[in-house]
Amino acid sequence: AQSVTQLDSQVPVFEEAPVELRCNYSSSVSVYLFWYVQYPNQGLQLLLKYLSGSTLVESINGFEAEFNKSQTSFHLRKPSVHISDTAEYFCAVSDLINEKLTFGTGTRLTIIP
Amino acid sequence: EPEVTQTPSHQVTQMGQEVILRCVPISNHLYFYWYRQILGQKVEFLVSFYNNEISEKSEIFDDQFSVERPDGSNFTLKIRSTKLEDSAMYFCASRYGQGPDYGYTFGSGTRLTVV
Repeated sequence: AQSVTQLDSQVPVFEEAPVELRCNYSSSVSVYLFWYVQYPNQGLQLLLKYLSGSTLVESINGFEAEFNKSQTSFHLRKPSVHISDTAEYFCAVSDLINEKLTFGTGTRLTIIP
Repeated sequence: EPEVTQTPSHQVTQMGQEVILRCVPISNHLYFYWYRQILGQKVEFLVSFYNNEISEKSEIFDDQFSVERPDGSNFTLKIRSTKLEDSAMYFCASRYGQGPDYGYTFGSGTRLTVV
């Protein structure tokens, strides 16, 4: 079984400031790692994923996340946030066999103008 | 871009009543899922469905829950006799295949409030 911990339920950040949303996971087997984003009144959308290979993965809108196996972390970062980044961000893992997603509780990112 | 559509966006029901949450997955997808999120808690897996049968279900998915794909386009979640603790956001998802190259597409959710 896997579990995901997102310690920060809410993160307020000033526009153009950097942000890091933390995610830690536990699993007895190898996992895939994901960040999903939910904009207001929309569904969960895949932001980025780590399957294998390079531990640093990037999204098209400037977010990046780094898989750290020793710290069992997959923190999400962006060097400069915009108002449009206001959303709820969910970290998730799945094992390589049944691929069922296990989510964290989510982090609400609020951008302050 | 194709979407997973869920209706209604918000449903209020009285405790003990039956409720049906509706989802229209992407038309060529083959694998279907329901997840839910109780306010302030994690998004939890409920059930997966493939080839007209349940392929996996969680311990949450007891006899009060059922899923159906009645007409080849809709995918429904029925709760037979709702309890207060069933209040949650319910997400439907679909994917074309299995394996890491096939991502999930989620709907925008149905917020179920049991009073």
